[in-house]
Amino acid sequence: AQKVTQAQTEISVVEKEDVTLDCVYETRDTTYYLFWYKQPPSGELVFLIRRNSFDEQNEISGRYSWNFQKSTSSFNFTITASQVVDSAVYFCALSEHSGNTPLVFGKGTRLSVIA
Amino acid sequence: DAGVTQSPTHLIKTRGQQVTLRCSPKSGHDTVSWYQQALGQGPQFIFQYYEEEERQRGNFPDRFSGHQFPNYSSELNVNALLLGDSALYLCASSLAGQPFSYEQYFGPGTRLTVT
Repeated sequence: AQKVTQAQTEISVVEKEDVTLDCVYETRDTTYYLFWYKQPPSGELVFLIRRNSFDEQNEISGRYSWNFQKSTSSFNFTITASQVVDSAVYFCALSEHSGNTPLVFGKGTRLSVIA
Repeated sequence: DAGVTQSPTHLIKTRGQQVTLRCSPKSGHDTVSWYQQALGQGPQFIFQYYEEEERQRGNFPDRFSGHQFPNYSSELNVNALLLGDSALYLCASSLAGQPFSYEQYFGPGTRLTVT
C-alpha cells in the first residue's frame, strides 16, 4: 500500500534562512507520481511541483528546489532564503499506477518563517 | 478566470443531521474530486465525479454521497453526521481523462463542525 511520511510536524526559521522539508514515500509500483502542495491559511491547496518516478533530475524554480532520490524513497523540498510569505503547511503526495490512483497525502509540515 | 469555489465557508451541524456542501469547478474543468482534511492531517480522497457519475471512491462509508450536475458543479452529502466528520472539506477540479498525475485545482474548502 502506498504511504507518505512527513516526519517534521512543525518547523520554525528566521527569515532568509534556508529550510528543507522532508518527504519519504512507500510504494511497490514502478510508475508513480510525487507532488508537493502548499496550504496557506486561506485553506486551498496550491500545486508546487509534480515529478514522475522515471525522472530523478533535481528541479529548481526560483527559491524552491526539489531533490528526488529513488534509492532512499525521498522527495525533499528546499526553500532558499525563506520569506514570511512562505509560512504555510506543505504537503507531499503520491499517486500510483501511472497516476491513476487518487493522491495519498502525508500529514504535512507546518512552516513558520519569522521576520 | 474563475477558480474553484465552494459554499458555504463554514457550517455547524448537530450529530445525526445531514449536510450538503457545494462546489463549482474551475472554468473549463469537468471533473470534481472531494477530499476530507481532519485537523492536523493531510487530505483524504472521498470520491471523484465525471459525467455525472462517481468514477472513483476512497475508503469512506455510504453516509458520504455525491452528485454532479450537467454544468459540472458538484455536491457532497453526508448523512447521520458523527463528531468525527468535523473537518475541512476540499473540492478539487481537473480535466476529463486526466489521471491523478495531473495538477488538480483546489477550492478554499468548507469547514464543517459537528457538535
